[in-house]
Amino acid sequence: EDQVTQSPEALRLQEGESSSLNCSYTVSGLRGLFWYRQDPGKGPEFLFTLYSAGEEKEKERLKATLTKKESFLHITAPKPEDSATYLCAVQDYTGRRALTFGSGTRLQVQP
Amino acid sequence: NAGVMQNPRHLVRRRGQEARLRCSPVKGHSHVYWYRQLPEEGLKFMVYLQKENIIDESGMPKERFSAEFPKEGPSILRIQQVVRGDSAAYFCASSPYGGAGTGGMNEQFFGPGTRLTVL
Repeated sequence: EDQVTQSPEALRLQEGESSSLNCSYTVSGLRGLFWYRQDPGKGPEFLFTLYSAGEEKEKERLKATLTKKESFLHITAPKPEDSATYLCAVQDYTGRRALTFGSGTRLQVQP
Repeated sequence: NAGVMQNPRHLVRRRGQEARLRCSPVKGHSHVYWYRQLPEEGLKFMVYLQKENIIDESGMPKERFSAEFPKEGPSILRIQQVVRGDSAAYFCASSPYGGAGTGGMNEQFFGPGTRLTVL
């Protein structure tokens, strides 16, 4: 059974204070690892897909990296509008299309 | 471009009533997924459908829950005889691909969700 663990559960940063969110996973053959952002009362918003160890993707202040056991979401010089819950999910190669999600990291960026 | 649309956004039902949740995927997407987010819990997969076919319902409760994605019209998640434990946010997602040999392009795009409250 696929498992995803995200840490920390909650993170409070000052504006401009860079940090990283962690996503550890156990999967029977990784087809893809996905990062989403979720604002309160809204649906998850797709950010990145990573397919193989060593892969990196960037979007504005966010950079996602992948190893064989975990993924990191690096946030550089965050702004208050980056405050949200960040979700990590995996999809395996068994043929199932379901995503297995972690519980998320609640990020709060204070001005 | 319209994204995934879900309605209603909020639904209140009394115990024993039926709830019908609708999802219109991104135009051109033929693969639909339903997830449930219970209070203080993560998103959990329920069911995966293609047009007129249920592909994977391994996450669906065995009783009272059903889903369909007809040839015409939106996908419907139906909950019969709702109980308080069904109160949750229900999200629909769609993707353009789903089968093997698609090159891994299987990002799922989520709708805004339907928040079901059972009184």
